[in-house]
Amino acid sequence: GAVVSQHPSWVICKSGTSVKIECRSLDFQATTMFWYRQFPKQSLMLMATSNEGSKATYEQGVEKDKFLINHASLTLSTLTVTSAHPEDSSFYICSARPPFGTVSGNTIYFGEGSWLTVV
Amino acid sequence: GQNIDQPTEMTATEGAIVQINCTYQTSGFNGLFWYQQHAGEAPTFLSYNVLDGLEEKGRFSSFLSRSKGYSYLLLKELQMKDSASYLCAVMGASGGSYIPTFGRGTSLIVHP
Repeated sequence: GAVVSQHPSWVICKSGTSVKIECRSLDFQATTMFWYRQFPKQSLMLMATSNEGSKATYEQGVEKDKFLINHASLTLSTLTVTSAHPEDSSFYICSARPPFGTVSGNTIYFGEGSWLTVV
Repeated sequence: GQNIDQPTEMTATEGAIVQINCTYQTSGFNGLFWYQQHAGEAPTFLSYNVLDGLEEKGRFSSFLSRSKGYSYLLLKELQMKDSASYLCAVMGASGGSYIPTFGRGTSLIVHP
C-alpha cells in the first residue's frame, strides 16, 4: 500500500484562485518532506524542503509567497499555489524519508503526484 | 551545488541487458538513488547505494563508485514494461541538511 499519500490527484482551477495540495506520510513520521514540480519530459525540480514546525527552505527562483508550504504535523505537509496562473500548470510531487536508523530509512517515498491545470 | 548527468534516451531489445550511467558532482555525499518513472506517474524506488560496489535486486542491479562520482543501473532480461524514465538522484549536503537532487532522467525504450 501507499507509504506517502498525496491529494488531490487531479485539480483544475481558474486563473487567480488558490489550490492546496496535501502530502501525508502514512506509516512513519516525517520531519522533512520535499516538494517537486515536473513539466512534461523534464526532470523533477526541487521546489522546497518542508520542515515540521519551522519555515520551509525554498530553492532559488521559487517564490515563497506564491507557493506556501505548511508542515504543521509530523505526517502532513501542504503546498498551496496562490493566485494560480496557467504557467503554474504542472505535475507536483511530494516525497518523504523515514527517520534514519529505521528499516526503510534509506528510501525516499513519493506521493502519487498531483496534476494541476489552471485555466 | 550538485550536478547530475545521465543520458537522455536509450533503446534496447526485449530480453537484452542495458546499462544506464549516471555521473555526479556533489558536496557531502549521502547516497545515490535510482527511480523508475512511467509517464504521468510518480517515481517508484528501485535502489539505494551509499557504499562502493554492486547491489543486486532481481533483474535490476545498481553500482556505485564514490571516488569516480559514478553509478550505473543495470537492467537484465528486459521486458516491454521496463520502458520508462529512469532517474538518478543524489543525496547531498545543502544548508546544513541533506536534500535529494534528481538528474534529468533517461528515457528507456524497449522494443520487441
